[in-house]
Amino acid sequence: DAGVIQSPRHEVTEMGQEVTLRCKPISGHNSLFWYRQTMMRGLELLIYFNNNVPIDDSGMPEDRFSAKMPNASFSTLKIQPSEPRDSAVYFCASSLAYDGGELFFGEGSRLTVL
Amino acid sequence: KNEVEQSPQNLTAQEGEFITINCSYSVGISALHWLQQHPGGGIVSLFMLSSGKKKHGRLIATINIQEKHSSLHITASHPRDSAVYICAVASMDSNYQLIWGAGTKLIIKP
Repeated sequence: DAGVIQSPRHEVTEMGQEVTLRCKPISGHNSLFWYRQTMMRGLELLIYFNNNVPIDDSGMPEDRFSAKMPNASFSTLKIQPSEPRDSAVYFCASSLAYDGGELFFGEGSRLTVL
Repeated sequence: KNEVEQSPQNLTAQEGEFITINCSYSVGISALHWLQQHPGGGIVSLFMLSSGKKKHGRLIATINIQEKHSSLHITASHPRDSAVYICAVASMDSNYQLIWGAGTKLIIKP
């Protein structure tokens, strides 16, 4: 299996632009997580999907952030409009189990908002 | 006080040394995760455990539920083991919302 695939790996954009990050989880995994990692705050859970349904989006910082999972093999995290403080590495992870199974992370998308 | 504490924060050792990284937590847990992150790289799950001990190659993870403590050991350390090692726990209240340690930055010198 190719593992969790994220794109783009790097994104540099200007403040106010829309950013879309993409994730393909491991086939057969029914849980998908979006995390944000910064030096100041470490890893933060943004949103958790189970069987394509958002279960917990309490970590989404504000309305500028949205996430979708239209099917079991694809998820997006969108930031519109982007701000410099959104600069971070965004990780997608998937898991086989609903009840806290082993997490498999993608390589991350490094976002820089100028 | 953080719910998950790792020690040491930084560790530098010579190649071949036996390495121990500790993780203490203050909540009831259903599982504890050890993960590895290389500089600028992705995050790799090393172990998930809820009791006892697990071994994978040169890595060994142990957990003592009564003492709320886990250790990650690396035998015959190698420069490629240089990375940040992160402990995270799944609390009884929420299996998917992990509580993260701050990480231990390990440097192995040749």
